[in-house]
Amino acid sequence: GAVVSQHPSRVICKSGTSVKIECRSLDFQATTMFWYRQFPKQSLMLMATSNEGSKATYEQGVEKDKFLINHASLTLSTLTVTSAHPEDSSFYICSARRPSSYNEQFFGPGTRLTVL
Amino acid sequence: SQQGEEDPQALSIQEGENATMNCSYKTSINNLQWYRQNSGRGLVHLILIRSNEREKHSGRLRVTLDTSKKSSSLLITASRAADTASYFCANSGAGSYQLTFGKGTKLSVIP
Repeated sequence: GAVVSQHPSRVICKSGTSVKIECRSLDFQATTMFWYRQFPKQSLMLMATSNEGSKATYEQGVEKDKFLINHASLTLSTLTVTSAHPEDSSFYICSARRPSSYNEQFFGPGTRLTVL
Repeated sequence: SQQGEEDPQALSIQEGENATMNCSYKTSINNLQWYRQNSGRGLVHLILIRSNEREKHSGRLRVTLDTSKKSSSLLITASRAADTASYFCANSGAGSYQLTFGKGTKLSVIP
């Protein structure tokens, strides 16, 4: 399968700081990437769709000013959690869609964010 | 997007037995994908079945799709302790790239 990396794998930060998470597709070009959030023992919830060269599309209830998404190239999307608070602590996972008619998506290993 | 349902929510079996997990969804789909997630890790893509397919095999995995019942099943044969993980189904509708995930089944394979 295709490879998607995420960095960092885990981050601990103080309340009020901003954290940037990178998502890279390593062996294919991804015009579309997705950002998910996963709480303990729960399923993935889509936060936003990241399109290369255009603004991200956010799901209802997700604050675009808090979760800044930049998809500057066909292999990189970044999620910045601004002014993080303890309630933002979660597991963030990105996926990249491999262009095909079948919409296969490949996921990164996730980033564990802990806000103190 | 509305989440689908998976059952059972948790499944515990002995090594060597078969494990069957079911998934239901609410809207018409373009395809359905199954993923595995080990605790605290990312998702591993297992298999994709298109809406015009009824069954697909990959190694010890067998996936079925019944679009009339809006349901899919994942069968893992001859299970191994390493199969212990959570399994999710995810579907995408026609014209949409977004995936809607089920709630997942936590599988425990006891050595």
